[in-house]
Amino acid sequence: AQKVTQAQTEISVVEKEDVTLDCVYETRDTTYYLFWYKQPPSGELVFLIRRNSFDEQNEISGRYSWNFQKSTSSFNFTITASQVVDSAVYFCALSGVNNAGNMLTFGGGTRLMVKP
Amino acid sequence: DADVTQTPRNRITKTGKRIMLECSQTKGHDRMYWYRQDPGLGLRLIYYSFDVKDINKGEISDGYSVSRQAQAKFSLSLESAIPNQTALYFCATSDLQGSAGDTQYFGPGTRLTVL
Repeated sequence: AQKVTQAQTEISVVEKEDVTLDCVYETRDTTYYLFWYKQPPSGELVFLIRRNSFDEQNEISGRYSWNFQKSTSSFNFTITASQVVDSAVYFCALSGVNNAGNMLTFGGGTRLMVKP
Repeated sequence: DADVTQTPRNRITKTGKRIMLECSQTKGHDRMYWYRQDPGLGLRLIYYSFDVKDINKGEISDGYSVSRQAQAKFSLSLESAIPNQTALYFCATSDLQGSAGDTQYFGPGTRLTVL
């Protein structure tokens, strides 16, 4: 069985602070994919990143960066110099090669509130 | 225009009523999915379809049915709605990129309330 844990249910920061959202996963698959999605207050789900289990290189996209560590089964997401527009619920998700239908297993989400 | 659209966006219905949620996509993807979101639980897969002739149950299919009318259309039905089906429902699509890991793109969601 697969599992994704986002232990931080809610985080509150002040604008311009850096913030890291934690994601820990469990899977028996040796090949798997990890994702982050953003859900702003408007409700839609926005794809942010996809990472396969063979690629442990960290990735940076503007103010966003992701740290993938297989040794600790973690795929953490850092926002540098946070902005009010970053306020949203962020979901980490996992898909393994043995998942029926490429089912995404989602974590419970972390609600990030960035205050001005 | 949005690539994945869902109708209606909001719906309030009563226990026992039949309701249909519709999803359309212009992305040209073969694969379509229905998820529901409950607070604190993330999203859970209800049904998925890899092409028009392929329908499969997901993690929580009881009480739901689906129809894939065309490559671009995938509908979710609640035959007899009950209050614990109150949730936010998402449709998603993906393109075949291999056996796993294809990125799923989500519609805007339908907020369903069953009284």
